[in-house]
Amino acid sequence: ETGVTQTPRHLVMGMTNKKSLKCEQHLGHNAMYWYKQSAKKPLELMFVYSLEERVENNSVPSRFSPECPNSSHLFLHLHTLQPEDSALYLCASSQGQANTGELFFGEGSRLTVL
Amino acid sequence: QQQVKQSPQSLIVQKGGISIINCAYENTAFDYFPWYQQFPGKGPALLIAIRPDVSEKKEGRFTISFNKSAKQFSLHIMDSQPGDSATYFCAASMETSGSRLTFGEGTQLTVNP
Repeated sequence: ETGVTQTPRHLVMGMTNKKSLKCEQHLGHNAMYWYKQSAKKPLELMFVYSLEERVENNSVPSRFSPECPNSSHLFLHLHTLQPEDSALYLCASSQGQANTGELFFGEGSRLTVL
Repeated sequence: QQQVKQSPQSLIVQKGGISIINCAYENTAFDYFPWYQQFPGKGPALLIAIRPDVSEKKEGRFTISFNKSAKQFSLHIMDSQPGDSATYFCAASMETSGSRLTFGEGTQLTVNP
């Protein structure tokens, strides 16, 4: 495996379900990110972890709960989501800060909330 | 508040033509301006980036033009090819923002054969 891998690629869940998105990076990077991508909207930064410590929480509702157990893995735990949370969730990693290092994105997890 | 505005939302170009995508920003503290390319079913990937100490950067058929006084920057794709059909995002960040990249809304480019 190389780069940034995300699972599952597609997820359909009801509003009362609990699910998790997983991201794994094989690049030896020290920062990991969750972005939300909705149609015709800018990518929205949700969370940033640097050296396994959360350094940014961009006013994301508490129904989204991130977890970074080590520098290679990042999770996004989902519970009691709303239909407007349906989107593509992208994980990314970088070595260093975003304005000096390239962001490497995974292929995303397409979430549909019924 | 939208800090990076991108236009057009969609663009159709004939093969061999020039594709031009524009972005405007508000925050004068931004000091790094990357462009990301996203193919369907894939995540965005860095295409080219520029810092405000230069007015132009060229990599192959891709050129960024930067106008600091107008707070605008643009991506030019010369000799556009059908394989360039993708969504393009401009972005901006500043040293003090650490890991935050502010993205534009994206431009869906279609290059017809």
